[in-house]
Amino acid sequence: RKEVEQDPGPFNVPEGATVAFNCTYSNSASQSFFWYRQDCRKEPKLLMSVYSSGNEDGRFTAQLNRASQYISLLIRDSKLSDSATYLCVVNNAGNMLTFGGGTRLMVKP
Amino acid sequence: NAGVTQTPKFQVLKTGQSMTLQCAQDMNHNSMYWYRQDPGMGLRLIYYSASEGTTDKGEVPNGYNVSRLNKREFSLRLESAAPSQTSVYFCASSVLQNSPLHFGNGTRLTVT
Repeated sequence: RKEVEQDPGPFNVPEGATVAFNCTYSNSASQSFFWYRQDCRKEPKLLMSVYSSGNEDGRFTAQLNRASQYISLLIRDSKLSDSATYLCVVNNAGNMLTFGGGTRLMVKP
Repeated sequence: NAGVTQTPKFQVLKTGQSMTLQCAQDMNHNSMYWYRQDPGMGLRLIYYSASEGTTDKGEVPNGYNVSRLNKREFSLRLESAAPSQTSVYFCASSVLQNSPLHFGNGTRLTVT
């Protein structure tokens, strides 16, 4: 099993839709969780950290489920500009941040 | 503030040539990292430096060396480039290990 796994997609959704991605991780001792956004041929940029109690930033909501070892990202009212690859990041046993392979989102008019 | 600056942006090497990728950050971060990104493989950690004066291997260190020159600068060296090292290389920094990463713009390296 990979340390951090994501469905590669693509998720094709219309503008205004709500879309959710999950990311599973293998190390039950992981403590740090993040979602990054990466546009084509650009560097990854931090979207949000994921806290135990869940957190929201505008249209974006991140949640952590420790029992089932996954984090989720919910995007409400999708915009064309949300089209990107979303990377989840988790710290592993070696205390290094490990990236998932990314989930590609395409928002269509 | 420039954040994390990487040079060069593009490079083409022949097999066996050497080169050094430069990275500098102006955010007073303690930790710095080198990742490579390949299609279908995601970002993989090559080497990291948790703090000035220390460096450690990541997931894919073979064929690379690093130097943490000072708190600001962390360089990645390819001593004898191979086609398998064709990739996009990203430098990143963070306040501490496991803090959010800030990335440079990347270096696109092709080895022929």
